[in-house]
Amino acid sequence: DAMVIQNPRYQVTQFGKPVTLSCSQTLNHNVMYWYQQKSSQAPKLLFHYYDKDFNNEADTPDNFQSRRPNTSFCFLDIRSPGLGDAAMYLCATSTIMGGRTDTQYFGPGTRLTVL
Amino acid sequence: AQSVTQLGSHVSVSEGALVLLRCNYSSSVPPYLFWYVQYPNQGLQLLLKYTSAATLVKGINGFEAEFKKSETSFHLTKPSAHMSDAAEYFCAVSDRKPDKLIFGTGTRLQVFP
Repeated sequence: DAMVIQNPRYQVTQFGKPVTLSCSQTLNHNVMYWYQQKSSQAPKLLFHYYDKDFNNEADTPDNFQSRRPNTSFCFLDIRSPGLGDAAMYLCATSTIMGGRTDTQYFGPGTRLTVL
Repeated sequence: AQSVTQLGSHVSVSEGALVLLRCNYSSSVPPYLFWYVQYPNQGLQLLLKYTSAATLVKGINGFEAEFKKSETSFHLTKPSAHMSDAAEYFCAVSDRKPDKLIFGTGTRLQVFP
Protein backbone atom coordinates (compact mmCIF):
# COMPACT_ATOMS: atom_id res chain seq x y z
CA ASP A 1 0.00 0.00 0.00
CA ALA A 2 1.13 3.52 -0.75
CA MET A 3 2.04 5.24 2.45
CA VAL A 4 4.08 7.69 4.48
CA ILE A 5 6.72 6.11 6.68
CA GLN A 6 8.53 7.73 9.58
CA ASN A 7 11.59 6.45 11.32
CA PRO A 8 12.20 6.00 14.11
CA ARG A 9 8.82 5.90 15.86
CA TYR A 10 10.43 6.84 19.14
CA GLN A 11 13.62 8.84 19.53
CA VAL A 12 15.42 9.73 22.74
CA THR A 13 18.17 12.30 22.64
CA GLN A 14 20.13 14.38 25.11
CA PHE A 15 19.85 18.09 25.58
CA GLY A 16 21.90 19.76 22.86
CA LYS A 17 22.69 16.56 20.93
CA PRO A 18 21.73 16.83 17.24
CA VAL A 19 19.02 14.49 16.02
CA THR A 20 17.62 13.63 12.61
CA LEU A 21 14.15 12.32 11.91
CA SER A 22 13.32 10.75 8.57
CA CYS A 23 10.24 10.48 6.41
CA SER A 24 9.69 8.58 3.20
CA GLN A 25 6.68 8.27 0.92
CA THR A 26 5.53 5.93 -1.81
CA LEU A 27 2.71 8.24 -2.93
CA ASN A 28 4.89 10.26 -5.30
CA HIS A 29 3.40 13.47 -3.93
CA ASN A 30 5.21 16.66 -4.73
CA VAL A 31 4.55 18.39 -1.40
CA MET A 32 6.01 17.19 1.91
CA TYR A 33 5.39 18.76 5.32
CA TRP A 34 6.87 18.62 8.79
CA TYR A 35 4.64 19.35 11.76
CA GLN A 36 5.37 19.57 15.47
CA GLN A 37 2.58 18.47 17.76
CA LYS A 38 2.63 18.89 21.52
CA SER A 39 0.24 17.20 23.88
CA SER A 40 -3.43 18.13 23.40
CA GLN A 41 -2.58 20.65 20.68
CA ALA A 42 -3.13 20.87 16.95
CA PRO A 43 -0.21 20.11 14.66
CA LYS A 44 1.98 23.15 14.08
CA LEU A 45 3.52 23.47 10.64
CA LEU A 46 7.30 23.91 10.75
CA PHE A 47 8.05 23.97 7.01
CA HIS A 48 7.24 22.25 3.78
CA TYR A 49 8.70 21.46 0.38
CA TYR A 50 6.82 22.04 -2.83
CA ASP A 51 8.97 19.91 -5.09
CA LYS A 52 12.45 21.28 -4.31
CA ASP A 53 11.22 24.65 -3.10
CA PHE A 54 11.65 25.03 0.65
CA ASN A 55 9.03 27.06 2.54
CA ASN A 56 9.81 27.93 6.13
CA GLU A 57 7.15 29.16 8.54
CA ALA A 58 7.98 32.56 9.98
CA ASP A 59 7.95 31.34 13.57
CA THR A 60 9.99 28.16 13.07
CA PRO A 61 13.18 28.41 15.13
CA ASP A 62 16.52 28.30 13.33
CA ASN A 63 17.29 25.20 15.38
CA PHE A 64 15.05 23.26 12.98
CA GLN A 65 16.32 22.46 9.51
CA SER A 66 15.12 20.20 6.73
CA ARG A 67 16.47 18.41 3.68
CA ARG A 68 14.70 16.81 0.77
CA PRO A 69 17.26 14.94 -1.34
CA ASN A 70 14.63 13.48 -3.69
CA THR A 71 10.87 13.17 -4.13
CA SER A 72 10.55 10.24 -1.76
CA PHE A 73 12.57 11.35 1.26
CA CYS A 74 12.53 14.28 3.63
CA PHE A 75 14.53 14.80 6.82
CA LEU A 76 14.06 16.96 9.88
CA ASP A 77 17.24 18.00 11.64
CA ILE A 78 17.17 19.49 15.12
CA ARG A 79 20.59 20.98 15.63
CA SER A 80 20.54 21.50 19.40
CA PRO A 81 17.42 20.02 20.97
CA GLY A 82 16.07 21.72 24.05
CA LEU A 83 13.60 20.37 26.56
CA GLY A 84 10.87 22.38 24.83
CA ASP A 85 11.42 20.45 21.60
CA ALA A 86 10.07 17.26 23.09
CA ALA A 87 6.99 16.53 21.00
CA MET A 88 5.47 14.33 18.33
CA TYR A 89 6.84 15.15 14.88
CA LEU A 90 4.53 14.39 12.01
CA CYS A 91 5.42 14.13 8.34
CA ALA A 92 2.71 14.55 5.71
CA THR A 93 2.44 14.60 1.94
CA SER A 94 -0.06 16.00 -0.50
CA THR A 95 -0.74 16.99 -4.07
CA ILE A 96 -2.12 20.27 -5.32
CA MET A 97 -5.61 20.18 -6.85
CA GLY A 98 -7.46 23.16 -8.27
CA GLY A 99 -4.71 25.47 -7.11
CA ARG A 100 -4.83 24.41 -3.47
CA THR A 101 -3.61 21.60 -1.30
CA ASP A 102 -5.65 18.43 -1.43
CA THR A 103 -5.74 15.74 1.23
CA GLN A 104 -2.63 15.55 3.37
CA TYR A 105 -1.54 12.00 4.18
CA PHE A 106 0.22 11.66 7.49
CA GLY A 107 2.84 9.28 8.73
CA PRO A 108 2.54 7.66 12.17
CA GLY A 109 4.83 10.24 13.74
CA THR A 110 8.08 10.19 15.70
CA ARG A 111 7.83 10.82 19.42
CA LEU A 112 10.93 12.77 20.49
CA THR A 113 12.07 12.75 24.10
CA VAL A 114 14.82 15.13 25.22
CA LEU A 115 16.67 14.23 28.41
CA ALA B 1 -7.33 35.20 6.02
CA GLN B 2 -8.55 31.66 6.30
CA SER B 3 -9.24 30.19 9.74
CA VAL B 4 -11.02 27.34 11.45
CA THR B 5 -12.88 27.37 14.77
CA GLN B 6 -13.82 24.18 16.55
CA LEU B 7 -16.35 24.82 19.28
CA GLY B 8 -15.81 22.61 22.29
CA SER B 9 -12.38 21.24 23.09
CA HIS B 10 -14.02 18.24 24.78
CA VAL B 11 -17.22 16.42 23.89
CA SER B 12 -18.58 13.48 25.85
CA VAL B 13 -21.33 11.16 24.66
CA SER B 14 -22.74 7.83 25.68
CA GLU B 15 -22.25 4.81 23.48
CA GLY B 16 -25.06 4.76 20.92
CA ALA B 17 -25.75 8.49 21.17
CA LEU B 18 -25.44 11.05 18.41
CA VAL B 19 -22.01 12.55 17.87
CA LEU B 20 -21.86 16.21 16.80
CA LEU B 21 -18.52 17.99 16.48
CA ARG B 22 -18.66 21.60 15.36
CA CYS B 23 -16.45 23.37 12.86
CA ASN B 24 -16.79 26.88 11.47
CA TYR B 25 -14.45 28.33 8.90
CA SER B 26 -13.62 31.60 7.27
CA SER B 27 -12.32 31.74 3.73
CA SER B 28 -12.20 34.30 0.98
CA VAL B 29 -13.06 31.71 -1.67
CA PRO B 30 -15.02 28.47 -1.69
CA PRO B 31 -12.88 26.26 0.52
CA TYR B 32 -11.79 22.71 0.62
CA LEU B 33 -12.67 21.32 4.07
CA PHE B 34 -11.37 18.27 5.86
CA TRP B 35 -11.98 16.29 9.01
CA TYR B 36 -9.16 14.22 10.43
CA VAL B 37 -9.10 11.80 13.36
CA GLN B 38 -6.08 11.11 15.56
CA TYR B 39 -5.78 8.18 17.94
CA PRO B 40 -3.17 8.28 20.73
CA ASN B 41 0.42 8.14 19.50
CA GLN B 42 -0.61 7.99 15.87
CA GLY B 43 -0.68 10.31 12.90
CA LEU B 44 -3.77 12.00 11.54
CA GLN B 45 -6.15 9.98 9.38
CA LEU B 46 -8.57 11.51 6.91
CA LEU B 47 -12.22 10.95 7.81
CA LEU B 48 -13.78 12.90 4.95
CA LYS B 49 -13.36 15.97 2.78
CA TYR B 50 -15.42 18.55 0.91
CA THR B 51 -14.10 19.87 -2.39
CA SER B 52 -17.12 21.72 -3.84
CA ALA B 53 -19.09 18.71 -5.03
CA ALA B 54 -21.98 17.34 -2.93
CA THR B 55 -22.59 19.35 0.22
CA LEU B 56 -23.27 16.24 2.29
CA VAL B 57 -20.08 14.24 2.51
CA LYS B 58 -19.87 10.69 3.81
CA GLY B 59 -16.66 9.39 5.27
CA ILE B 60 -15.18 6.40 6.96
CA ASN B 61 -16.42 4.78 10.17
CA GLY B 62 -19.99 6.03 9.65
CA PHE B 63 -19.14 9.74 9.91
CA GLU B 64 -20.58 12.42 7.68
CA ALA B 65 -20.43 16.20 7.43
CA GLU B 66 -22.54 18.84 5.74
CA PHE B 67 -21.10 21.94 4.12
CA LYS B 68 -23.35 24.94 4.83
CA LYS B 69 -22.12 28.03 3.06
CA SER B 70 -24.68 30.33 4.66
CA GLU B 71 -23.50 29.29 8.12
CA THR B 72 -19.81 28.85 7.15
CA SER B 73 -19.98 25.51 8.90
CA PHE B 74 -18.82 21.97 8.31
CA HIS B 75 -20.02 20.02 11.36
CA LEU B 76 -19.16 16.35 11.75
CA THR B 77 -21.85 13.89 12.81
CA LYS B 78 -22.32 10.21 13.49
CA PRO B 79 -25.73 8.80 14.37
CA SER B 80 -24.52 6.29 16.94
CA ALA B 81 -21.25 6.58 18.85
CA HIS B 82 -19.03 3.58 19.40
CA MET B 83 -16.36 3.19 22.03
CA SER B 84 -13.75 3.04 19.27
CA ASP B 85 -14.68 6.59 18.20
CA ALA B 86 -12.91 8.02 21.24
CA ALA B 87 -10.11 10.13 19.75
CA GLU B 88 -9.06 13.68 18.84
CA TYR B 89 -10.77 15.22 15.83
CA PHE B 90 -9.39 18.08 13.75
CA CYS B 91 -11.16 20.22 11.19
CA ALA B 92 -9.01 21.85 8.51
CA VAL B 93 -9.46 24.28 5.62
CA SER B 94 -7.56 24.86 2.41
CA ASP B 95 -8.23 27.83 0.21
CA ARG B 96 -6.34 29.59 -2.53
CA LYS B 97 -3.05 29.70 -0.67
CA PRO B 98 -1.90 26.60 -2.37
CA ASP B 99 0.42 24.70 -0.09
CA LYS B 100 -1.11 24.56 3.37
CA LEU B 101 -3.96 23.33 5.50
CA ILE B 102 -5.12 25.44 8.42
CA PHE B 103 -6.13 23.25 11.35
CA GLY B 104 -8.58 23.92 14.11
CA THR B 105 -7.56 23.41 17.71
CA GLY B 106 -9.16 19.99 17.89
CA THR B 107 -11.99 18.35 19.81
CA ARG B 108 -11.41 15.39 22.08
CA LEU B 109 -14.31 12.96 21.91
CA GLN B 110 -14.98 10.71 24.88
CA VAL B 111 -17.46 7.86 24.63
CA PHE B 112 -18.90 6.40 27.82
CA PRO B 113 -20.44 2.93 28.04
